[in-house]
Amino acid sequence: GIQVEQSPPDLILQEGANSTLRCNFSDSVNNLQWFHQNPWGQLINLFYIPSGTKQNGRLSATTVATERYSLLYISSSQTTDSGVYFCAGGANNLFFGTGTRLTVIP
Amino acid sequence: ETGVTQTPRHLVMGMTNKKSLKCEQHLGHNAMYWYKQSAKKPLELMFVYNFKEQTENNSVPSRFSPECPNSSHLFLHLHTLQPEDSALYLCASSPHGGATGNLFFGSGTQLSVL
Repeated sequence: GIQVEQSPPDLILQEGANSTLRCNFSDSVNNLQWFHQNPWGQLINLFYIPSGTKQNGRLSATTVATERYSLLYISSSQTTDSGVYFCAGGANNLFFGTGTRLTVIP
Repeated sequence: ETGVTQTPRHLVMGMTNKKSLKCEQHLGHNAMYWYKQSAKKPLELMFVYNFKEQTENNSVPSRFSPECPNSSHLFLHLHTLQPEDSALYLCASSPHGGATGNLFFGSGTQLSVL
């Protein structure tokens, strides 16, 4: 299967700070998604972004398919942004990375 | 609320027990999935059903037995599990299979095998 590498593994931010999370893929993918897992285990779909750039409020994502990576930007972070961020990609099935654990402190 | 409901939320079982996990989606999707999430490991795809037909069995031990009676319901039957099977089991659905659509997850069942 496809190998998915996420960085950084852990991130601590002061409330209001900005951050960039990265996801690298070992092979080309035609489906790429970003998820947020809250402290209660619920995975929420943030973006479906096999290529290009999308924005949703304080979050935006960019995928450069030819270079097999994607970036998730979080601006003006809030404590409710805490949790684990996963990217997943694939051709026939989705393969997940190990996630970036984000902690936003007041 | 993602439109995918899993029950129970928590389950504790002995190694000789038989139990079932249930998943129901209200999104009109045609594909459903079981994933396993263990600590410090990526989510592992276990089973995929597309239009009620199993299209993927990712080398899962036979003590895990999936059932998909229709496109809205998915079960995972458990028997003679091992302590290392303790994990969060997540159900998901998408409009259709083949990794070509948005994936929506349930809240998961936290399973502990004693």
